[in-house]
Amino acid sequence: KQEVTQIPAALSVPEGENLVLNCSFTDSAIYNLQWFRQDPGKGLTSLLLIQSSQREQTSGRLNASLDKSSGRSTLYIAASQPGDSATYLCAVTYGNNRLAFGKGNQVVVIP
Amino acid sequence: GAGVSQSPSNKVTEKGKDVELRCDPISGHTALYWYRQSLGQGLEFLIYFQGNSAPDKSGLPSDRFSAERTGGSVSTLTIQRTQQEDSAVYLCASSLSQTSSYEQYFGPGTRLTVT
Repeated sequence: KQEVTQIPAALSVPEGENLVLNCSFTDSAIYNLQWFRQDPGKGLTSLLLIQSSQREQTSGRLNASLDKSSGRSTLYIAASQPGDSATYLCAVTYGNNRLAFGKGNQVVVIP
Repeated sequence: GAGVSQSPSNKVTEKGKDVELRCDPISGHTALYWYRQSLGQGLEFLIYFQGNSAPDKSGLPSDRFSAERTGGSVSTLTIQRTQQEDSAVYLCASSLSQTSSYEQYFGPGTRLTVT
């Protein structure tokens, strides 16, 4: 069974600290991995897409790494801001096209 | 350009009634996906379209659920004889192609409440 796990489920950090969010997946035969952001009552915003052949992707203060062999990805958010408060979802794609999601990391950045 | 749009944004219906949820994908995206997000359950895959055909319907939870796509664009998800357990946010996504390497872009979702 293709499972995606995100730990911790919830975390709070003071403004300015770096955020580290972890995602693990049981089946390493992925095509890609996406990190999404979801604000309360809203849809999903794609943050970063990492193809299976890549090791990392960067966008502004965000950096995501992928270690396919060990089934892990990490999302780093540098110098966190209150506006970064949201739920962050990790999702992997296998050959069947569907995304398999983790349950998310709920983040609160404290001003 | 315009993103994925969904309508209605909110739907409240009585148990036993039928509902239709609509998705307008990004123009030019040939692949379209439906997901459901239930409280405490996370996001689960429902169905996927490539063009107007649905190669993978395996995520539909029961035969009360059906979906169609016309003209390679708009898709409708229909739930017949709604039950309270159908209450959830229904999310639609589209991607440039059916190839698994492509990024999926999500709409804002339809929040369905069955009373």
